Amino acid sequence: NAGVTQTPKFQVLKTGQSMTLQCAQDMNHEYMSWYRQDPGMGLRLIHYSVGAGITDQGEVPNGYNVSRSTTEDFPLRLLSAAPSQTSVYFCASRPDRAGSPLHFGNGTRLTVT
Amino acid sequence: AQSVTQLDSQVPVFEEAPVELRCNYSSSVSVYLFWYVQYPNQGLQLLLKYLSGSTLVESINGFEAEFNKSQTSFHLRKPSVHISDTAEYFCAVSAFNTDKLIFGTGTRLQVFP
Repeated sequence: NAGVTQTPKFQVLKTGQSMTLQCAQDMNHEYMSWYRQDPGMGLRLIHYSVGAGITDQGEVPNGYNVSRSTTEDFPLRLLSAAPSQTSVYFCASRPDRAGSPLHFGNGTRLTVT
Repeated sequence: AQSVTQLDSQVPVFEEAPVELRCNYSSSVSVYLFWYVQYPNQGLQLLLKYLSGSTLVESINGFEAEFNKSQTSFHLRKPSVHISDTAEYFCAVSAFNTDKLIFGTGTRLQVFP
């Protein structure tokens, strides 16, 4: 089983460029989410989705867009990258059961210069 | 809204010594509590969780955590650590009435020979 797959693993952007971080899961999980991890700040929730067609904001949504057209995919878009968005991004999914644990991808390391 | 505080950013310990990683949470409603572990250059993995019932929960590799409602704590303990336990540990909380999982800032456990 592939689990949660994130692409790319590494990316370097210039300020103002746009890009999409891809996330796909093959476990038929209803819930998907995006976190960013920064030193000393732990993981902070960017956006999440409880099912196809439904998305909501997390703790730090500004500068990021998401959509959920299928159960499997949950891409994260940076419309105009800023150096403050330099981070490691993790996608995670879980079944739609309260208290079920998250399954994480291996992360995308993004640098914005 | 809920929040999580991990009081120690780093915990150095010698092999075979006991260890406690502290976690306190804040929430106005009942919560689910989790500990996740992150090994270098990997995503997070579930270590253990408290959903309901017995307040003491255990993992398969010897860690345990106790839910203390009066002190709003969920400290992680292991009576004898191994070199292989070196990793970053994250406490996380999810309130019953929300889909969001909120993480603490993490504790880096370093086990020395």
